[in-house]
Amino acid sequence: QVQLVQSGSELKKPGASVKVSCKASGYTFTSYAMNWVRQAPGQGLEWMGWINTNTGNPTYAQGFTGRFVFSLDTSVSTAYLQISSLKAEDTAVYYCARSPVGATGWFDPWGQGTLVTVSS
Amino acid sequence: QSVLTQPPSASGTPGQRVTISCSGSSSNIGSNYVYWYQQLPGTAPKLLIYSNNQRPSGVPDRFSGSKSGTSASLAISGLRSEDEADYYCAAWDDSLSGQVFGGGTKLTVL
Repeated sequence: QVQLVQSGSELKKPGASVKVSCKASGYTFTSYAMNWVRQAPGQGLEWMGWINTNTGNPTYAQGFTGRFVFSLDTSVSTAYLQISSLKAEDTAVYYCARSPVGATGWFDPWGQGTLVTVSS
Repeated sequence: QSVLTQPPSASGTPGQRVTISCSGSSSNIGSNYVYWYQQLPGTAPKLLIYSNNQRPSGVPDRFSGSKSGTSASLAISGLRSEDEADYYCAAWDDSLSGQVFGGGTKLTVL
């Protein structure tokens, strides 16, 4: 079955970096786009951007440029989200989600989410 | 503040029909498909409705979506206790060149 499995929770200090992985299985990885979505504690969903799994070209939403990097390792069907210079306000659950056509379509399935906690 | 506007809460009793609204603009709902997601407590969102009114396989026909102009609605009939969750609408926004979500509606089954 189609599924996305993300890496485990992370506890980081302010100023550190974190890399979240999202391993896809059950479909051809390069046939679908991969999106990243943030959910701060008790808050709603916020689209961070997407990466073209054919070309590796990332597109970042407003507010997610500079410290956020999307990348791929197509040999292991895995997408990555790296966040540098972490701040307390980066504390959130980060989801990866597959979409059929770029980022304009629906998101299905979603990974189980990775909680990133930034605290000194 | 979310680009798409949803009521923060909704409620109903078992068996009732409940609707959740989602209001947008000409650059998102008015010109693109609407999607709905269900997020059960402590879990990842799950696709409920795509392309305005289509249900993925496995989603009960108690769930239905509709769109008119710059607004959309999710209807849940025959409400069940397991429907208690947060519901989010989403659409592509041509002006922002990105996916936008509603703020979410917390559905309580009384």
